[in-house]
Amino acid sequence: AQSVSQHNHHVILSEAASLELGCNYSYGGTVNLFWYVQYPGQHLQLLLKYFSGDPLVKGIKGFEAEFIKSKFSFNLRKPSVQWSDTAEYFCAVNSYNTGRRALTFGSGTRLQVQP
Amino acid sequence: GAVVSQHPSRVICKSGTSVKIECRSLDFQATTMFWYRQFPKQSLMLMATSNEGSKATYEQGVEKDKFLINHASLTLSTLTVTSAHPEDSSFYICSARELTRTDTQYFGPGTRLTVL
Repeated sequence: AQSVSQHNHHVILSEAASLELGCNYSYGGTVNLFWYVQYPGQHLQLLLKYFSGDPLVKGIKGFEAEFIKSKFSFNLRKPSVQWSDTAEYFCAVNSYNTGRRALTFGSGTRLQVQP
Repeated sequence: GAVVSQHPSRVICKSGTSVKIECRSLDFQATTMFWYRQFPKQSLMLMATSNEGSKATYEQGVEKDKFLINHASLTLSTLTVTSAHPEDSSFYICSARELTRTDTQYFGPGTRLTVL
């Protein structure tokens, strides 16, 4: 079975600080990887995704993530955060091989950016 | 971009009643939709996979007779919580898989169910 671990549950940063949120998954086959963001009171929005190709993926709003297959990781990064990045961030995975297209989510990381 | 809507956004009902939640893909067709449940300050847990024209696939531990799913068209899936009880109070979120352009799931805004 697939599982996703997000080790940072709550991160507090000052504006302009750099961000890295960890995501590790467990599954031996081919996976698709996603980062979603949920702003307060809003629905989940896709930040970026990795299916194949270049392991460094660029998403919206200056976010990027790097897929490291040997580490089963897909960490999210942003060089300089803004107050508007305050939100809940979810890493998710689905498996291509099994045809299971439903997403398995990590527990989420609450990011609080202080002005 | 792909948009998914849910209706209602919020519902309060009495214990024992049934509640229907609609999930619509507004600008694309979705042969597959998913229903998730999110508890406060927790992640999303998959309840079931809704397949257009066929029976839904439920996750282990989810009662299919309690959470009825109908995916009658390529743009609409419904979740009916039958004989709701207070422990069914939760945030229910649907997603729809856009297959042809992006092969990505797009999420609805969610429905907050409160059972008194």
